[in-house]
Amino acid sequence: GEDVEQSLFLSVREGDSSVINCTYTDSSSTYLYWYKQEPGAGLQLLTYIFSNMDMKQDQRLTVLLNKKDKHLSLRIADTQTGDSAIYFCAENPTGTASKLTFGTGTRLQVTL
Amino acid sequence: ETGVTQSPTHLIKTRGQQVTLRCSSQSGHNTVSWYQQALGQGPQFIFQYYREEENGRGNFPPRFSGLQFPNYSSELNVNALELDDSALYLCASSLEVERGYTFGSGTRLTVV
Repeated sequence: GEDVEQSLFLSVREGDSSVINCTYTDSSSTYLYWYKQEPGAGLQLLTYIFSNMDMKQDQRLTVLLNKKDKHLSLRIADTQTGDSAIYFCAENPTGTASKLTFGTGTRLQVTL
Repeated sequence: ETGVTQSPTHLIKTRGQQVTLRCSSQSGHNTVSWYQQALGQGPQFIFQYYREEENGRGNFPPRFSGLQFPNYSSELNVNALELDDSALYLCASSLEVERGYTFGSGTRLTVV
């Protein structure tokens, strides 16, 4: 089956780092994505990583990919209250055109 | 870039009715996908269109159908609405899969 798994909830204090984890299913997925969803809004693409990369950094965001364990993580440095949202990881399974399979999302709560 | 726009933003329908949701893709994007996001869940792939042809479909019954027009705008049609069809429907467009998908803000459909 296609199950992308994420923990449901993460609470961090403002200024700390947040790490959101995801395990995916298709070891041959070419691209893996992180999306952010704020209340009542659509999905905002934060970053993506190509499967032949181990790490990608983009300003406050760092993505780590462990292909052996099919594990993906998103680290947000210096977390701000504006980072409070639901974060989804998504994979692009091989042979499925451009279908994305999403996890159930991790709700990030940033406290003062 | 104009982004992806969806209409209407909210809709209430009665069980058994039919509904048409509309999406205007980001300029130049020739691929459009539709997703259903139930409350508290990640988006589920419904289908995708590329140059006016359906080229991928998720696990949704035939009463979910779509169209893509030459200007790359698209429609999602749902016949014989059921209560479980209540969800946020998201449209996403893309030019190149590696750049990810640009999502609209969605249409919130409530079936009563």
